[in-house]
Amino acid sequence: NAGVMQNPRHLVRRRGQEARLRCSPMKGHSHVYWYRQLPEEGLKFMVYLQKENIIDESGMPKERFSAEFPKEGPSILRIQQVVRGDSAAYFCASSPRTVTGNTIYFGEGSWLTVV
Amino acid sequence: GNSVTQMEGPVTLSEEAFLTINCTYTATGYPSLFWYVQYPGEGLQLLLKATKADDKGSNKGFEATYRKETTSFHLEKGSVQVSDSAVYFCAPDSGGSNYKLTFGKGTLLTVNP
Repeated sequence: NAGVMQNPRHLVRRRGQEARLRCSPMKGHSHVYWYRQLPEEGLKFMVYLQKENIIDESGMPKERFSAEFPKEGPSILRIQQVVRGDSAAYFCASSPRTVTGNTIYFGEGSWLTVV
Repeated sequence: GNSVTQMEGPVTLSEEAFLTINCTYTATGYPSLFWYVQYPGEGLQLLLKATKADDKGSNKGFEATYRKETTSFHLEKGSVQVSDSAVYFCAPDSGGSNYKLTFGKGTLLTVNP
């Protein structure tokens, strides 16, 4: 299965630690998106990246959160100094381009638990 | 911004029953509309989509029709199976930004044998 690959699937961090979530897009896809699913809520858009560029970060919290998609390697969502409210499922998605009507494909998610 | 109102769950049906999950949305422009499904412990999978008014999306026996006049995209299936048990999410995109989906809270469907 050459789908969107995310790891780790489950991550536990203590308050104040850093969390790093990785995402490898589908083969041939150069656009990556991160979404967050808080408990009892639907997914919410966080950020859209292309290789080495952040295209749209309108959904990213202003502090502690950052994302990158380097020329080589997976996309990384980094959360510094985690708090309990960061506990959520983080989903990565990818697409080959963003022409209206194209579909984005989601990974299986990374569940972050902050204790 | 966009918003989505989905039928409150949970929905519990017997196998072979008819399913309707209502979804209405508010959006600027002309969004594409999507239904995603999330099986237990898994990520979201695209179930079906419609890109313009009166289009019908269909997949695995599920159908939904893009109703611009009522801003609705209700999901239906004539005969559900136990394997359809999952959470279903309705999501319009942001017109020109197909990546910026607005998800509803999801509707949990449980199908009993």
